[in-house]
Amino acid sequence: ILNVEQSPQSLHVQEGDSTNFTCSFPSSNFYALHWYRWETAKSPEALFVMTLNGDEKKKGRISATLNTKEGYSYLYIKGSQPEDSATYLCAPADFNKFYFGSGTKLNVKP
Amino acid sequence: NAGVTQTPKFRVLKTGQSMTLLCAQDMNHEYMYWYRQDPGMGLRLIHYSVGEGTTAKGEVPDGYNVSRLKKQNFLLGLESAAPSQTSVYFCASSYSGQPRKQFFGPGTRLTVL
Repeated sequence: ILNVEQSPQSLHVQEGDSTNFTCSFPSSNFYALHWYRWETAKSPEALFVMTLNGDEKKKGRISATLNTKEGYSYLYIKGSQPEDSATYLCAPADFNKFYFGSGTKLNVKP
Repeated sequence: NAGVTQTPKFRVLKTGQSMTLLCAQDMNHEYMYWYRQDPGMGLRLIHYSVGEGTTAKGEVPDGYNVSRLKKQNFLLGLESAAPSQTSVYFCASSYSGQPRKQFFGPGTRLTVL
């Protein structure tokens, strides 16, 4: 079982602030690193999947990087908006299973 | 295209009762998963299936059984419910190729009194 740590647990920012979260995981038996966005009362939705050391992904104002050698991934949100408020989950995966962290809960105040 | 659906959405059980949660997907995915989500914890894998007729244990399988008789359905059973099984249960499915992306159902909120 992989020990996945996400920090911070929660974050409160003002609209327009840029922010970033960290996902740390053991770097062995690794196939991919997934980021999910989970809005209250909804289901988790996939944001990014990364597989290679040094991978970077971007979708609008949100981007992510991956370092498999040291076992971490960063998620960045540029110019946060209230609609970005959600819990962001990371999940390293081996061949069959995902190992979800407990998430970073982001609250963006207007 | 409904994606992943879960039945029921809510359920209240008494300790010792049994029930079955149904997950259905219409995306022809090979892999299906059952997770539970508790406050302050991440999604924890209960059981998963890599194809019709196959199942495997996840991180927290005790007290649960599963069956995958049809490719599109994955059933989660509680034989004798306990208060510790009060949780929100999520089903997910994915295609078999790597890297896999999981698609989640809406969740089932289960309370065991």
